[in-house]
Amino acid sequence: GIQVEQSPPDLILQEGANSTLRCNFSDSVNNLQWFHQNPWGQLINLFYIPSGTKQNGRLSATTVATERYSLLYISSSQTTDSGVYFCAEADTGRRALTFGSGTRLQVQP
Amino acid sequence: NAGVTQTPKFQVLKTGQSMTLQCAQDMNHEYMSWYRQDPGMGLRLIHYSVGAGITDQGEVPNGYNVSRSTTEDFPLRLLSAAPSQTSVYFCASSYKAESRQYFGPGTRLTVT
Repeated sequence: GIQVEQSPPDLILQEGANSTLRCNFSDSVNNLQWFHQNPWGQLINLFYIPSGTKQNGRLSATTVATERYSLLYISSSQTTDSGVYFCAEADTGRRALTFGSGTRLQVQP
Repeated sequence: NAGVTQTPKFQVLKTGQSMTLQCAQDMNHEYMSWYRQDPGMGLRLIHYSVGAGITDQGEVPNGYNVSRSTTEDFPLRLLSAAPSQTSVYFCASSYKAESRQYFGPGTRLTVT
């Protein structure tokens, strides 16, 4: 199945800073999704982005399917952005999402 | 529109007990699935369903049963709980397997 690598594994920011999270894929990207797992454990779907760029407030994501990677940009970070960010690709063979190991983000006031 | 709901939020079981984790969605999604999340193991698929009356096994199905009698509900049954089933369980739904997926709030299960 597809392999998903996320970087960096951990990130500490001061409030107001910007950051870029990256996902690399071992196979073609068709259904890429970004999730945020907040400190209470809730998994929120941030973007469904098989290709191109999307923006939602301070967050934006870009997927370059031909080069098998995706980037998540967080601008003007806030403490509420803390948590773990996962990217995932739908493995149609397994009928499941294959998740990366996540980037743990801590935003300090 | 409640999205994906799960009950209970927390549960403690003794080894050998059985229970059902409930999952419901009100988005008329055909695809529903159950994952478990364990430290260092990420999220692993237990069972999934592509529509009412249709279920199939995922990556780690042993010890769990599912059924899908309606589009809205997809309960997960633990037949005889074991400590290895201590985990956080998430239910998810989407229009199709490869569509944008929405997760429930999770159930934290401890088996002693």
